[in-house]
Amino acid sequence: DAGVIQSPRHEVTEMGQEVTLRCKPISGHDYLFWYRQTMMRGLELLIYFNNNVPIDDSGMPEDRFSAKMPNASFSTLKIQPSEPRDSAVYFCASSFWQGRETQYFGPGTRLLVL
Amino acid sequence: GNSVTQMEGPVTLSEEAFLTINCTYTATGYPSLFWYVQYPGEGLQLLLKATKADDKGSNKGFEATYRKETTSFHLEKGSVQVSDSAVYFCALSRFGGSNYKLTFGKGTLLTVNP
Repeated sequence: DAGVIQSPRHEVTEMGQEVTLRCKPISGHDYLFWYRQTMMRGLELLIYFNNNVPIDDSGMPEDRFSAKMPNASFSTLKIQPSEPRDSAVYFCASSFWQGRETQYFGPGTRLLVL
Repeated sequence: GNSVTQMEGPVTLSEEAFLTINCTYTATGYPSLFWYVQYPGEGLQLLLKATKADDKGSNKGFEATYRKETTSFHLEKGSVQVSDSAVYFCALSRFGGSNYKLTFGKGTLLTVNP
């Protein structure tokens, strides 16, 4: 299995630009999670989906952030407009119902907003 | 709400030293407990888990015992190696219908010197 795939691995952009992060979960997994990791705040859950439906988006920092999951094999996290304080590593993770206690993480996208 | 507190790092040890990373939690009911590990430049991966009181999780020489009376899940290894250098995260999960998520501690950086 290829594991959770994220793209791009690195993104450098200027303040005000739109940023789109992409995630392909492990085939057969029905939960998908987006996390943000920073030195100051550690690992934060932004949003998670079950069967492509958003279940809890209480961690999404503000309206500039949005996430979609149009099908079981693809999700996006969009930041528009981006700000320097959005600089972080963004992780996607997936799991399946029977083994839902174990989340499988992707390698992350390192975002730098100048 | 649920929370996880783990010892702050960084922790620096010499090869073959004994490792303990403390973790305590606050949660209602009976959560499942986890240790995840993040190697440099990678996403998190599950190291071990325990789903009920007095369970011991183990993997790669690491162990942790679910202690409900002290609400703790300390990570131990008898003899660390340079390759164990990583960030270690304690986490808990609670389930309710389709609603579930992991609550992570802030992470502890371990550096093992040869």
